[in-house]
Amino acid sequence: ETGVTQSPTHLIKTRGQQVTLRCSSQSGHNTVSWYQQALGQGPQFIFQYYREEENGRGNFPPRFSGLQFPNYSSELNVNALELDDSALYLCASSLMLWGNRRSEQYFGPGTRLTVT
Amino acid sequence: DAKTTQPPSMDCAEGRAANLPCNHSTISGNEYVYWYRQIHSQGPQYIIHGLKNNETNEMASLIITEDRKSSTLILPHATLRDTAVYYCIVRVPIFHGGATNKLIFGTGTLLAVQP
Repeated sequence: ETGVTQSPTHLIKTRGQQVTLRCSSQSGHNTVSWYQQALGQGPQFIFQYYREEENGRGNFPPRFSGLQFPNYSSELNVNALELDDSALYLCASSLMLWGNRRSEQYFGPGTRLTVT
Repeated sequence: DAKTTQPPSMDCAEGRAANLPCNHSTISGNEYVYWYRQIHSQGPQYIIHGLKNNETNEMASLIITEDRKSSTLILPHATLRDTAVYYCIVRVPIFHGGATNKLIFGTGTLLAVQP
């Protein structure tokens, strides 16, 4: 157990709808990264949040957006859902310290999203 | 844009050492090699990481070649619970010269530990 929790565990949405996924980081961690894992593939980096701001983004369109809250928890929002958005969505928390020092990323169990 | 290549699958007998190879020939000098594993669609679990020296912890050993173009993860005494997909990952800066970083996963190696 990493202490990173995600909700919901799985959900089903219809194409064109919007979805919000939630992540609570491990105690003491201040950075949250989100990854998308399609079936049979490795996770792909979506973006990272640090100090409540987006701190870097992978090759994902703007309809993927996020938030980080003062308690370091985070949300991933996806608008205008497409069938290809069906995947396991993973969040990972880590601790970024001053002077470029950082801890490893610890992953939550993921949210399985199915778009029909 | 995966920076690592791994065999798609490997078998190992229970109680024997499992040696999982990884090629990362385009790795840059300041990029770390990480290993994670994922058991049947659970979240990836951190195993070990290194830059250029060999590393060992309670789970595994990591051997990195001197030219850093390849590495091997060693599980010294594999058990049935070690059956999983093992990812060899390069951690890269999100922005050139920046402090923030991301993990670039490949497709991993499915290790099947046989009784």
